Amino acid sequence: DAKTTQPNSMESNEEEPVHLPCNHSTISGTDYIHWYRQLPSQGPEYVIHGLTSNVNNRMASLAIAEDRKSSTLILHRATLRDAAVYYCILRDGSSNTGKLIFGQGTTLQVKP
Amino acid sequence: DTAVSQTPKYLVTQMGNDKSIKCEQNLGHDTMYWYKQDSKKFLKIMFSYNNKELIINETVPNRFSPKSPDKAHLNLHINSLELGDSAVYFCASSRNSQITEAFFGQGTRLTVV
Repeated sequence: DAKTTQPNSMESNEEEPVHLPCNHSTISGTDYIHWYRQLPSQGPEYVIHGLTSNVNNRMASLAIAEDRKSSTLILHRATLRDAAVYYCILRDGSSNTGKLIFGQGTTLQVKP
Repeated sequence: DTAVSQTPKYLVTQMGNDKSIKCEQNLGHDTMYWYKQDSKKFLKIMFSYNNKELIINETVPNRFSPKSPDKAHLNLHINSLELGDSAVYFCASSRNSQITEAFFGQGTRLTVV
């Protein structure tokens, strides 16, 4: 599975937008880009995923670069509850194992 | 109702003991997983079952044996516990093995002393 690179940590102010970057320069044509987050003392939680087009859901937006070598998870208005570790994961769409390979993620701190 | 539930939440045991962690999902999913999160917070897949059949076994010691009595349950039995087994173990499920939205349990913190 292709690797992703994320900043170790980021800070944000409450009620401001947050842009969490992810680089995946070796992404293949069948790799989907997934984002999960892990709140303190909880299990990971699915956030969003996409292949080529930008995606929106109730939690966040995913902006995918045209060459697909990078993507950005956008939280439109950060709340204190959004403080978590955010994982950017590539998963081969042709795989039938459901396996997720987690990296070190980005620890997001949200300041009141 | 909790979608993916694990018991116990905390487990403290001595080296050499045998212990089990239970996992149940009420989502009607076909695929279930066990992940391990070590002290450095790295999450790594251990096993995956699809309709009670093993589809992933990620070079986990033989002391770890998953058991899936039905597709709603995936238990993890660990024999001869070692200090290095101390970690948080997460159970997860997905609709099937090709669906990427996985639902995780709250985790079981295992401490081996």
